[in-house]
Amino acid sequence: ETGVTQSPTHLIKTRGQQVTLRCSSQSGHNTVSWYQQALGQGPQFIFQYYREEENGRGNFPPRFSGLQFPNYSSELNVNALELDDSALYLCASSPGGSNQPQHFGDGTRLSIL
Amino acid sequence: AQRVTQPEKLLSVFKGAPVELKCNYSYSGSPELFWYVQYSRQRLQLLLRHISRESIKGFTADLNKGETSFHLKKPFAQEEDSAMYYCALTNAGGTSYGKLTFGQGTILTVHP
Repeated sequence: ETGVTQSPTHLIKTRGQQVTLRCSSQSGHNTVSWYQQALGQGPQFIFQYYREEENGRGNFPPRFSGLQFPNYSSELNVNALELDDSALYLCASSPGGSNQPQHFGDGTRLSIL
Repeated sequence: AQRVTQPEKLLSVFKGAPVELKCNYSYSGSPELFWYVQYSRQRLQLLLRHISRESIKGFTADLNKGETSFHLKKPFAQEEDSAMYYCALTNAGGTSYGKLTFGQGTILTVHP
């Protein structure tokens, strides 16, 4: 069973740039959630995708957007990067349906200069 | 608004001592509570969830709806329990399931 994989591992960008982070969900999982984890904080929910549709969003501005593909992999896009976007971005997948816990990837460390 | 509070940022105990990691929550609906753990250089992983009522690696947690708490306990800590622990909640059913709200985490260090 292949777990959740994220790419890239690390990324450095400058203010105002755009970034795309990628996530391959665990085999058999059709639900993907993205979280932002700032240094010293717990993960914060960004949004969730279920069968290619956005299925809920946390308190993040519209410049955070996402996609889910037919194979259930997902992208997180962030436009107009700000210094405060520096964080670890975690992807988690679950089988969907009710009461299924999430499995997390290792994350992408994004640094904004 | 839902909120998870872990009052202790750091917790140190000696091997063999009991350990309790505190978690309090506020949520207006019907919550499901989890404990996630992150060992050094590993990814975040589920430790236990209250609906399972299981004991994992000797840890247990009971949901106390009256006190809105979900404290994690282990009677005899081991050095390999040293890790970051996160308490999290989600709505127990419906379309909101899986959108986790995390606490800030507690770093547990178990000394030999």
